[in-house]
Amino acid sequence: DFQMTQSPSSLSASVGDRVTIACRASQDISNGLAWYQQKPGAVPKLLIYVATTLQSGVPSRFSGSGSGTDFSLTITGLQPEDVATYYCLKYNSAPWTFGQGTKVEIK
Amino acid sequence: QLQLQESGPGLVKPSETLSLTCTVSGGSVRSNNYYWGWIRQPPGKGLEWIGTIYYTGVTYYSSSLQSRLTVSLDTPNNRFSLKLTSATAADTAIYYCARTSGAGGLTQYFDTWGQGTLITVSS
Repeated sequence: DFQMTQSPSSLSASVGDRVTIACRASQDISNGLAWYQQKPGAVPKLLIYVATTLQSGVPSRFSGSGSGTDFSLTITGLQPEDVATYYCLKYNSAPWTFGQGTKVEIK
Repeated sequence: QLQLQESGPGLVKPSETLSLTCTVSGGSVRSNNYYWGWIRQPPGKGLEWIGTIYYTGVTYYSSSLQSRLTVSLDTPNNRFSLKLTSATAADTAIYYCARTSGAGGLTQYFDTWGQGTLITVSS
């Protein structure tokens, strides 16, 4: 069965810090990876698709990298409004598969 | 502007069938340019993909749910639906419907979501 492994499950960082979240696929998925941000009580919001492309309207402090099996989401200059849970999604073919999520908090 | 709206019973008894509908406005489930999907989120837990359908009726299901799951199109009413049989407390979740950005491999990410509806399985 295909799996996406996301790490860490949670992190705490200071305002202005650089934060990195990782996702590893159990097999090569090319660039078929997206990142979502979900704030408490809200619908998931698309941040990045095709591993590195920023969705329109998303602040440029968010960036994605990787291809094949290893991917990362970086927030450069963490802001208080970035407190949320972040998910990766493998989508280039069935089954669509989410990572387990990373909860980001402010120290 | 595309909008998706989930509707369902709110409360389902254990062993009964959980049925949900997603009504689409500002777009058509007949379009060959998109996939339509269901995602759920148990309280306090992560996102889980349930299943996806294409305008032809071709479906893709989560391996953990496929024995209980049916996703179908209602093209006259521009809707798509989910039926999950033999519901248990583990099926209690917020259920979201969503549409992909496109129908090609690298465009099949979900970019438009409904607001979600909480379904509780309890007697």
